[in-house]
Amino acid sequence: DAGVTQSPTHLIKTRGQQVTLRCSPISGHKSVSWYQQVLGQGPQFIFQYYEKEERGRGNFPDRFSARQFPNYSSELNVNALLLGDSALYLCASSLGILADTQYFGPGTRLTVL
Amino acid sequence: AQKVTQAQTEISVVEKEDVTLDCVYETRDTTYYLFWYKQPPSGELVFLIRRNSFDEQNEISGRYSWNFQKSTSSFNFTITASQVVDSAVYFCAQDGNQFYFGTGTSLTVIP
Repeated sequence: DAGVTQSPTHLIKTRGQQVTLRCSPISGHKSVSWYQQVLGQGPQFIFQYYEKEERGRGNFPDRFSARQFPNYSSELNVNALLLGDSALYLCASSLGILADTQYFGPGTRLTVL
Repeated sequence: AQKVTQAQTEISVVEKEDVTLDCVYETRDTTYYLFWYKQPPSGELVFLIRRNSFDEQNEISGRYSWNFQKSTSSFNFTITASQVVDSAVYFCAQDGNQFYFGTGTSLTVIP
């Protein structure tokens, strides 16, 4: 079975631009969560979506938004990019709530110049 | 709020040595789940174990074992007879209103 997939693999943007990252969960999983991992740190929780509704939000500014589609795939949008947004963005899927085991995709490496 | 602390930033061991990675958590919840993930140099987080707060039995999976002690709020991870392929960053995590990761412990196994 296919694991969690993310696209693109790498992305280079300039300050002020907007970016959209995509994630497809494991078949049968209805929850998608997004994380930001800055080099040398642990992943930081951004959002969880379950059944197309936001079920959890971390301490990120409103420049970060996300949505989940009827097929349970998800997009993460970041507006007005800052240099500090440069990070590895990880998507994880699970059957349901955050207490369920989350399986991670390979991530999207975003560089903001 | 929940918090996960991994005090060991970096550990180096010689192959075949045993190594224990420490994890201390904080929570006010009575029901919670703890996790360990491995992040090899390739970057993808690999799930290792999930443990609920009602199950304090130690668990062993091959060379891996986990010691969960509610009395000390610890969930430590031991690798027995370490191998070079164990070199990675290991994260402890906890559920809650968010999902909380520790800062990770970078393990290097020297051949």
